[in-house]
Amino acid sequence: QQQVKQSPQSLIVQKGGISIINCAYENTAFDYFPWYQQFPGKGPALLIAIRPDVSEKKEGRFTISFNKSAKQFSLHIMDSQPGDSATYFCAATYPGGGNKLTFGTGTQLKVEL
Amino acid sequence: NAGVTQTPKFQVLKTGQSMTLQCAQDMNHEYMSWYRQDPGMGLRLIHYSVGAGITDQGEVPNGYNVSRSTTEDFPLRLLSAAPSQTSVYFCASSYSRSGGQPQHFGDGTRLSIL
Repeated sequence: QQQVKQSPQSLIVQKGGISIINCAYENTAFDYFPWYQQFPGKGPALLIAIRPDVSEKKEGRFTISFNKSAKQFSLHIMDSQPGDSATYFCAATYPGGGNKLTFGTGTQLKVEL
Repeated sequence: NAGVTQTPKFQVLKTGQSMTLQCAQDMNHEYMSWYRQDPGMGLRLIHYSVGAGITDQGEVPNGYNVSRSTTEDFPLRLLSAAPSQTSVYFCASSYSRSGGQPQHFGDGTRLSIL
């Protein structure tokens, strides 16, 4: 049972465009929602994270939008660059669950020139 | 500062063989965990540890054993390798067991079971 559903599976964006990746969750106990970025041959690395008490968090060109009532959150990459080409994973943790991450299935992003 | 180091980077095994995947961190992190990554399935938690001497099961623990005798090391043992265990394995660590702590991942071990 996939508790965090992620879409699309793959995405192609032109340089300078906006990349949008969506995630939906089922467990309303989740209270921390990170996004991880993974380059080929490397491990995932934390990109940005949000807690459900805010609706948006921005760090440079990366923004998380969070909709608690819809149980959805999304990653927006503004002014996408070829160097952003990677696989992106959304994830979630819940109180009392330690730091166990429940991951989405990943989105492979390619930014074309 | 090496972060999280995993060895080996690649391994091919025959069905029924056993092996140990090594993971070491030099950040004095309390929390360590093992994930497997399969196409179309994201990363799934195998086992985790909240400190030396304390381990627990994750989502997909069958066929794997762990132990944590020191803060730094968290090896993953495959008892009798099966083709279904062909995957990329990632070790991760974080400062504490508290939810919301950034997790630091190693670069993975790519394991093929023939």
